[in-house]
Amino acid sequence: DTEVTQTPKHLVMGMTNKKSLKCEQHMGHRAMYWYKQKAKKPPELMFVYSYEKLSINESVPSRFSPECPNSSLLNLHLHALQPEDSALYLCASSPTGLEVGEQYFGPGTRLTVT
Amino acid sequence: DQQVKQNSPSLSVQEGRISILNCDYTNSMFDYFLWYKKYPAEGPTFLISISSIKDKNEDGRFTVFLNKSAKHLSLHIVPSQPGDSAVYFCAALIQGAQKLVFGQGTRLTINP
Repeated sequence: DTEVTQTPKHLVMGMTNKKSLKCEQHMGHRAMYWYKQKAKKPPELMFVYSYEKLSINESVPSRFSPECPNSSLLNLHLHALQPEDSALYLCASSPTGLEVGEQYFGPGTRLTVT
Repeated sequence: DQQVKQNSPSLSVQEGRISILNCDYTNSMFDYFLWYKKYPAEGPTFLISISSIKDKNEDGRFTVFLNKSAKHLSLHIVPSQPGDSAVYFCAALIQGAQKLVFGQGTRLTINP
């Protein structure tokens, strides 16, 4: 299984809602990542979890709250988002995070904040 | 500050010919470079990579060239096939830093 799955595929939420994005991988990878991608822009790193510990937070606003319940799962909790947070949210994983190379990406969750 | 730049937003190539995608970087600390391919409604897929100790890496139809002195890398696809039509992202990292920095992407269209 070389797949990273993300749910939901699409999400529309109001600015006062609380919602969560979910990511799962069963490749035994120990590093997991959240990226944000706006239209016609490259993916931008938000968070990195390495061995279930948060290792990188790219100065992301606190209305985004990541969680790594176990080595296969990664969540992104959303609260009080702004319309400018509308974007494609990509999850990725890699074997350890300390070695170079491939990150395996999920298909993304397209988020619209109204 | 865009540390990884892909200056061509789009490229159109005839099927069977060579596609050359270019990427420039500014941070001399980058020591590993990757190319990702992205289809609509899918996440990026790893294509090929190169370490800064090499100047060329080849995998089937795909070859990546690295010119460290010019801080430039390129991806060659030959022969180009219709299934190669996608957005291609160049990415760079400092080994051990866990952070991939992506270029803006180049949309490649292969015409029959």
